[in-house]
Amino acid sequence: QSALTQPASVSGSPGQSITISCTGTSSDVGSYNFVSWYQQHPGKAPKLMISEVSKRPSGVSNRFSGSKSGNTASLTISGLQAEDESNYYCCSYAGRSTWVFGGGTKLTVL
Amino acid sequence: QVTLKESGPVMVKPTETLTLTCTVSGFSLSNARMGVSWIRQPPGKALEWLAHIFSNDEKSYSTSLKSRLTISKDTSKSQVVLNMTNMDPVDTATYYCARMTYYDFRLDPWGQGTLVTVSS
Repeated sequence: QSALTQPASVSGSPGQSITISCTGTSSDVGSYNFVSWYQQHPGKAPKLMISEVSKRPSGVSNRFSGSKSGNTASLTISGLQAEDESNYYCCSYAGRSTWVFGGGTKLTVL
Repeated sequence: QVTLKESGPVMVKPTETLTLTCTVSGFSLSNARMGVSWIRQPPGKALEWLAHIFSNDEKSYSTSLKSRLTISKDTSKSQVVLNMTNMDPVDTATYYCARMTYYDFRLDPWGQGTLVTVSS
């Protein structure tokens, strides 16, 4: 169960789009469509943004979208807003009733 | 409204056993479509999945911490308990519990978290 690989940081200007990658292996991301994404503001609990690779829960802005190709999942945020500045974590089912998180990505809105 | 709340000691000494309780409301721990996971986050670091308990009482653990963890539940009290033995300063972290739904393995919602410091 090695942590999924995410870039430590990404940045973008208001209105732009950014993509955060989440790279795993054929034992986790590559084998299951159970990748979820969480937003975590400093000092707060994580909040679900995307489940099952690309499904947005009710209440989450349609500016957030997810996808997957092979062993890499991605979170795209379009029309960046100041409120999107946060930390983002991916999580994948890894088989045998276990789950693994990514190392987290700090998004800075310039 | 579904809520989860963690409780337990703020500080433990090295080698001691940590016991944390997650009290849930708005859903039943006997619901076949749901379970509860524990996740931790050292200060300034990433989230780490620790353990999960299913509605049928089946349990699963992080491979790296399996020997130190025990998860259990009391359905009548709506509580899930996590025990972690032989605590070390590197185990200092905020510990979260979260509900997991089985049709999509989403963790939602999360509790507010509880910070546990390991220090002598």
